[in-house]
Amino acid sequence: SQQGEEDPQALSIQEGENATMNCSYKTSINNLQWYRQNSGRGLVHLILIRSNEREKHSGRLRVTLDTSKKSSSLLITASRAADTASYFCATGNYGQNFVFGPGTRLSVLP
Amino acid sequence: EPEVTQTPSHQVTQMGQEVILRCVPISNHLYFYWYRQILGQKVEFLVSFYNNEISEKSEIFDDQFSVERPDGSNFTLKIRSTKLEDSAMYFCASSDPSLAGPSTDTQYFGPGTRLTVL
Repeated sequence: SQQGEEDPQALSIQEGENATMNCSYKTSINNLQWYRQNSGRGLVHLILIRSNEREKHSGRLRVTLDTSKKSSSLLITASRAADTASYFCATGNYGQNFVFGPGTRLSVLP
Repeated sequence: EPEVTQTPSHQVTQMGQEVILRCVPISNHLYFYWYRQILGQKVEFLVSFYNNEISEKSEIFDDQFSVERPDGSNFTLKIRSTKLEDSAMYFCASSDPSLAGPSTDTQYFGPGTRLTVL
Protein backbone atom coordinates (compact mmCIF):
# COMPACT_ATOMS: atom_id res chain seq x y z
CA SER A 1 0.00 0.00 0.00
CA GLN A 2 1.10 3.54 -0.51
CA GLN A 3 2.67 4.97 2.58
CA GLY A 4 4.12 8.31 3.54
CA GLU A 5 7.35 8.10 5.45
CA GLU A 6 8.78 11.29 6.83
CA ASP A 7 12.36 12.03 7.63
CA PRO A 8 13.96 13.05 9.79
CA GLN A 9 12.03 11.53 12.67
CA ALA A 10 13.04 14.45 14.84
CA LEU A 11 14.44 17.88 14.07
CA SER A 12 15.65 20.55 16.47
CA ILE A 13 16.44 24.06 15.25
CA GLN A 14 16.82 27.58 16.55
CA GLU A 15 14.11 30.15 16.13
CA GLY A 16 14.53 32.01 12.86
CA GLU A 17 16.12 29.07 11.05
CA ASN A 18 14.44 27.16 8.27
CA ALA A 19 13.13 23.64 8.82
CA THR A 20 12.93 21.07 6.05
CA MET A 21 11.07 17.80 6.36
CA ASN A 22 10.82 15.13 3.73
CA CYS A 23 8.22 12.54 2.87
CA SER A 24 8.55 9.51 0.64
CA TYR A 25 5.82 7.21 -0.58
CA LYS A 26 5.61 4.01 -2.54
CA THR A 27 2.80 4.05 -5.07
CA SER A 28 1.18 6.56 -7.39
CA ILE A 29 -0.88 9.26 -5.77
CA ASN A 30 -3.47 11.85 -6.64
CA ASN A 31 -2.41 14.26 -3.96
CA LEU A 32 -0.21 14.65 -0.93
CA GLN A 33 -1.13 16.64 2.15
CA TRP A 34 0.82 17.93 5.09
CA TYR A 35 -0.67 18.17 8.56
CA ARG A 36 0.57 19.56 11.85
CA GLN A 37 -0.21 18.13 15.24
CA ASN A 38 0.58 19.86 18.47
CA SER A 39 1.25 17.51 21.34
CA GLY A 40 -1.91 15.63 22.28
CA ARG A 41 -4.06 17.70 19.97
CA GLY A 42 -5.85 17.30 16.65
CA LEU A 43 -4.48 17.43 13.15
CA VAL A 44 -4.37 20.77 11.40
CA HIS A 45 -4.34 20.74 7.64
CA LEU A 46 -1.47 22.80 6.25
CA ILE A 47 -1.36 22.33 2.53
CA LEU A 48 -2.45 20.00 -0.26
CA ILE A 49 -0.42 19.50 -3.39
CA ARG A 50 -1.79 17.58 -6.33
CA SER A 51 0.18 15.19 -8.48
CA ASN A 52 0.30 17.64 -11.39
CA GLU A 53 1.82 20.36 -9.22
CA ARG A 54 5.50 20.68 -8.39
CA GLU A 55 5.53 23.42 -5.80
CA LYS A 56 3.09 25.25 -3.62
CA HIS A 57 3.38 28.09 -1.13
CA SER A 58 1.27 29.12 1.80
CA GLY A 59 2.66 31.86 4.01
CA ARG A 60 5.94 30.59 5.46
CA LEU A 61 5.31 27.11 4.10
CA ARG A 62 6.70 25.78 0.86
CA VAL A 63 5.88 22.30 -0.35
CA THR A 64 7.45 20.52 -3.27
CA LEU A 65 6.41 17.31 -4.93
CA ASP A 66 8.56 15.10 -7.13
CA THR A 67 6.41 12.30 -8.44
CA SER A 68 9.34 10.71 -10.28
CA LYS A 69 11.11 10.23 -6.96
CA LYS A 70 7.88 9.71 -5.04
CA SER A 71 8.88 12.33 -2.54
CA SER A 72 7.76 15.63 -1.10
CA SER A 73 9.35 18.21 1.12
CA LEU A 74 7.90 20.73 3.53
CA LEU A 75 9.94 23.85 4.20
CA ILE A 76 9.06 26.17 7.05
CA THR A 77 10.94 29.43 6.76
CA ALA A 78 11.84 31.75 9.63
CA SER A 79 10.66 29.23 12.19
CA ARG A 80 9.03 30.28 15.45
CA ALA A 81 8.67 28.53 18.78
CA ALA A 82 4.98 28.11 17.97
CA ASP A 83 5.94 25.90 15.02
CA THR A 84 7.02 23.22 17.50
CA ALA A 85 4.82 20.24 16.63
CA SER A 86 4.76 16.95 14.77
CA TYR A 87 4.35 17.17 11.02
CA PHE A 88 2.76 14.40 8.99
CA CYS A 89 2.41 13.78 5.32
CA ALA A 90 -0.60 11.88 4.05
CA THR A 91 -1.03 10.48 0.57
CA GLY A 92 -4.32 10.10 -1.22
CA ASN A 93 -5.48 8.42 -4.34
CA TYR A 94 -8.89 7.98 -5.81
CA GLY A 95 -10.70 5.06 -4.25
CA GLN A 96 -8.18 4.58 -1.48
CA ASN A 97 -8.00 5.88 2.04
CA PHE A 98 -5.39 8.36 3.17
CA VAL A 99 -2.20 6.90 4.54
CA PHE A 100 -0.24 8.86 7.10
CA GLY A 101 3.46 8.62 7.77
CA PRO A 102 4.91 8.39 11.29
CA GLY A 103 5.70 12.10 11.37
CA THR A 104 8.60 14.40 12.06
CA ARG A 105 8.82 15.96 15.51
CA LEU A 106 10.02 19.53 15.11
CA SER A 107 11.36 21.46 18.08
CA VAL A 108 12.03 25.15 17.58
CA LEU A 109 14.18 26.51 20.37
CA PRO A 110 13.87 30.16 21.41
CA GLU B 1 -14.42 29.27 9.79
CA PRO B 2 -16.35 25.99 9.90
CA GLU B 3 -14.70 23.18 11.78
CA VAL B 4 -15.21 19.58 12.77
CA THR B 5 -16.13 19.13 16.41
CA GLN B 6 -15.92 16.03 18.56
CA THR B 7 -17.32 15.04 21.92
CA PRO B 8 -16.30 14.12 24.49
CA SER B 9 -12.72 15.34 24.52
CA HIS B 10 -11.78 12.54 26.92
CA GLN B 11 -13.62 9.32 27.64
CA VAL B 12 -12.62 6.84 30.31
CA THR B 13 -14.28 3.44 30.30
CA GLN B 14 -13.93 -0.02 31.74
CA MET B 15 -12.82 -2.88 29.54
CA GLY B 16 -15.82 -4.60 27.98
CA GLN B 17 -18.01 -1.52 28.06
CA GLU B 18 -19.53 0.11 25.01
CA VAL B 19 -18.54 3.64 24.04
CA ILE B 20 -19.93 6.05 21.48
CA LEU B 21 -17.73 8.80 20.15
CA ARG B 22 -19.50 11.70 18.53
CA CYS B 23 -18.53 14.00 15.72
CA VAL B 24 -20.18 16.89 13.95
CA PRO B 25 -18.61 17.23 10.50
CA ILE B 26 -18.49 20.45 8.53
CA SER B 27 -22.03 21.07 7.39
CA ASN B 28 -21.72 20.88 3.60
CA HIS B 29 -19.33 17.92 3.61
CA LEU B 30 -20.56 14.55 2.47
CA TYR B 31 -17.59 12.27 3.17
CA PHE B 32 -16.79 11.34 6.75
CA TYR B 33 -13.93 9.43 8.31
CA TRP B 34 -12.65 8.01 11.55
CA TYR B 35 -8.98 7.61 12.33
CA ARG B 36 -7.19 6.58 15.46
CA GLN B 37 -3.76 7.33 16.86
CA ILE B 38 -2.30 5.15 19.57
CA LEU B 39 -0.01 7.20 21.79
CA GLY B 40 3.28 7.86 20.07
CA GLN B 41 2.28 6.08 16.87
CA LYS B 42 1.07 7.13 13.45
CA VAL B 43 -2.46 8.09 12.53
CA GLU B 44 -4.34 5.03 11.24
CA PHE B 45 -7.38 5.01 8.99
CA LEU B 46 -10.42 3.19 10.36
CA VAL B 47 -13.37 3.87 8.10
CA SER B 48 -14.86 6.20 5.53
CA PHE B 49 -18.58 6.87 5.13
CA TYR B 50 -20.57 8.31 2.27
CA ASN B 51 -24.21 8.36 1.34
CA ASN B 52 -25.19 6.62 4.57
CA GLU B 53 -22.94 3.66 4.11
CA ILE B 54 -19.38 2.59 4.71
CA SER B 55 -17.32 3.18 1.58
CA GLU B 56 -14.07 1.77 2.87
CA LYS B 57 -12.70 0.27 6.06
CA SER B 58 -9.36 -0.94 7.29
CA GLU B 59 -8.39 -4.19 8.95
CA ILE B 60 -8.62 -2.44 12.31
CA PHE B 61 -12.32 -1.78 11.80
CA ASP B 62 -13.58 -5.18 12.87
CA ASP B 63 -16.99 -6.30 14.10
CA GLN B 64 -16.68 -4.45 17.39
CA PHE B 65 -16.76 -1.13 15.54
CA SER B 66 -19.70 0.49 13.86
CA VAL B 67 -20.49 3.93 12.47
CA GLU B 68 -23.73 5.75 12.07
CA ARG B 69 -25.11 9.04 10.91
CA PRO B 70 -28.17 9.18 13.12
CA ASP B 71 -29.31 12.59 11.92
CA GLY B 72 -28.27 15.32 9.52
CA SER B 73 -25.40 16.58 11.61
CA ASN B 74 -23.84 13.86 13.78
CA PHE B 75 -21.50 11.06 12.83
CA THR B 76 -20.75 8.47 15.49
CA LEU B 77 -18.26 5.69 16.11
CA LYS B 78 -19.38 2.91 18.43
CA ILE B 79 -17.04 0.42 20.00
CA ARG B 80 -19.15 -2.41 21.33
CA SER B 81 -16.89 -4.09 23.84
CA THR B 82 -13.79 -2.06 24.50
CA LYS B 83 -10.38 -3.63 24.95
CA LEU B 84 -7.29 -2.20 26.57
CA GLU B 85 -5.69 -1.82 23.15
CA ASP B 86 -8.52 0.44 22.00
CA SER B 87 -7.00 3.20 24.13
CA ALA B 88 -6.07 5.90 21.64
CA MET B 89 -6.98 9.28 20.24
CA TYR B 90 -9.86 8.97 17.81
CA PHE B 91 -10.14 11.59 15.13
CA CYS B 92 -13.12 12.35 12.97
CA ALA B 93 -12.62 14.05 9.62
CA SER B 94 -14.78 15.25 6.79
CA SER B 95 -14.22 16.39 3.24
CA ASP B 96 -16.04 18.20 0.44
CA PRO B 97 -17.84 16.16 -2.17
CA SER B 98 -15.78 15.68 -5.24
CA LEU B 99 -16.42 14.03 -8.53
CA ALA B 100 -12.94 12.57 -8.30
CA GLY B 101 -13.59 10.80 -5.04
CA PRO B 102 -12.97 11.31 -1.33
CA SER B 103 -9.25 10.76 -1.25
CA THR B 104 -8.62 13.58 -3.67
CA ASP B 105 -9.73 16.34 -1.36
CA THR B 106 -8.56 17.95 1.82
CA GLN B 107 -9.78 16.20 4.93
CA TYR B 108 -10.51 18.46 7.88
CA PHE B 109 -9.93 16.88 11.24
CA GLY B 110 -11.62 17.38 14.55
CA PRO B 111 -9.65 17.86 17.78
CA GLY B 112 -10.02 14.20 18.72
CA THR B 113 -11.42 12.17 21.58
CA ARG B 114 -8.93 10.58 23.91
CA LEU B 115 -10.27 7.15 24.84
CA THR B 116 -8.80 5.45 27.89
CA VAL B 117 -9.81 1.86 28.54
CA LEU B 118 -9.07 0.61 32.05
